[in-house]
Amino acid sequence: SQQGEEDPQALSIQEGENATMNCSYKTSINNLQWYRQNSGRGLVHLILIRSNEREKHSGRLRVTLDTSKKSSSLLITASRAADTASYFCATNDRGSTLGRLYFGRGTQLTVWP
Amino acid sequence: ETGVTQSPTHLIKTRGQQVTLRCSSQSGHNTVSWYQQALGQGPQFIFQYYREEENGRGNFPPRFSGLQFPNYSSELNVNALELDDSALYLCASSLRTGGILDEQYFGPGTRLTVT
Repeated sequence: SQQGEEDPQALSIQEGENATMNCSYKTSINNLQWYRQNSGRGLVHLILIRSNEREKHSGRLRVTLDTSKKSSSLLITASRAADTASYFCATNDRGSTLGRLYFGRGTQLTVWP
Repeated sequence: ETGVTQSPTHLIKTRGQQVTLRCSSQSGHNTVSWYQQALGQGPQFIFQYYREEENGRGNFPPRFSGLQFPNYSSELNVNALELDDSALYLCASSLRTGGILDEQYFGPGTRLTVT
């Protein structure tokens, strides 16, 4: 069953704008990860944030985690057409198989040149 | 490129048939997980293998089975295929050391179509 739920389902922006995607989840987690997927192919790991962390940065990516609200956000700054893809949040839940990931349905991001 | 490879890339099978999908882990990785991703959905955990033993299973029937070999490559077998088995099948490899699992690297997937 799905754990994380991304919002919005789809997002269209112009190159240079920022893109913000949100993720909500239901149970206690060890960590939350964001992945990117191009055209239904393999998943590319973007960033991992642990339950005791509140914010992480990686290049143009910024991820926040609020465990009290069970939510996370992914911000992509200065977006490029090449950022067009589906973005998924995935949680590794406490008490679950080590490394088992629960994915949401994803946000489809389209960046127009 | 993650160093994880899957074969075949695409596959078309008929309902009731059996299929075997293959995954080669990244060098040095000892854990492999399999996921099923239906169209428009996020990946769903099928099972995980660690050192050739099944180490956790999702909500999939027994006709989904797997193997992990001494070189840590893996197979996913699905018997008695159903139309709903049509999906992208992803494997992910990682290194487990004690109770810690490092970042998981996903392969490009196998697109299975059941007619």
